[in-house]
Amino acid sequence: GAGVSQSPSNKVTEKGKDVELRCDPISGHTALYWYRQSLGQGLEFLIYFQGNSAPDKSGLPSDRFSAERTGGSVSTLTIQRTQQEDSAVYLCASSREVRVESSAFFGQGTRLTVV
Amino acid sequence: AQSVTQLDSHVSVSEGTPVLLRCNYSSSYSPSLFWYVQHPNKGLQLLLKYTSAATLVKGINGFEAEFKKSETSFHLTKPSAHMSDAAEYFCVVSYQGGKLIFGQGTELSVKP
Repeated sequence: GAGVSQSPSNKVTEKGKDVELRCDPISGHTALYWYRQSLGQGLEFLIYFQGNSAPDKSGLPSDRFSAERTGGSVSTLTIQRTQQEDSAVYLCASSREVRVESSAFFGQGTRLTVV
Repeated sequence: AQSVTQLDSHVSVSEGTPVLLRCNYSSSYSPSLFWYVQHPNKGLQLLLKYTSAATLVKGINGFEAEFKKSETSFHLTKPSAHMSDAAEYFCVVSYQGGKLIFGQGTELSVKP
C-alpha cells in the first residue's frame, strides 16, 4: 500500500479482555516497529522485526504483550487481560531495512481505551 | 547508551518569527538523528534526518537542523513560523540496528 495502515483506528475494551491490533507495513519494507504513546508522553519502544531475524522484544512492558509478524508482512500486537494503564495510542512504523540511516514511516495509530 | 533530550516541553512563538526547538543526544558512536512532527489527530511525519553527510540538513516546510558533534546537539530551526507549524515535534536518535529512541516531544504553539 501507499502507507502504513493500522486497524482498528479506535478500540474501546473492558478491563480484562484481550485485544489485537493490526499493522500493514509499506510493501517491500522489511523492518517493522511498534511504539506506544501515552497521553502527554513521548513514544515508548515496544518491539521491532527485521526480516527473518529474531525480533527485539526488549520494550514489551509485561508478558501480557506479544507480537507476531506473519510472512514478513502484516503484524499483530496482542494485549492479554487488558488493564487501564494499557490505554494509549499504539503506533506502527516500517522502514526499508533496519539500518541506522533508514527512515521509518508511521501509521495513524490505534487509540486503545480500556474501561 | 543512547538517549535524546528535548530541552523544552513547550515553545510559543508569534507568526513570522524564528523557531528554535532544542535537542541534545548522547551516543557512544556516530548516530543518525531525525526530527518528526505530529499534528493533532495525525500520524507522525518525518521532517528531516541526519546520516553523517552534510551537517546542515534541510527538511520539509522550511525547517532545517544542524548537527553539532562538539555540542552533541541537533536543534531544529525555521526562519519564520507559520500558523500551520503548530504541532508536537519529536527529536529521535537511531539506535544501532535501527531502533528509534524518541525524545519527550516539544509542543510548538504559534500565535497570530
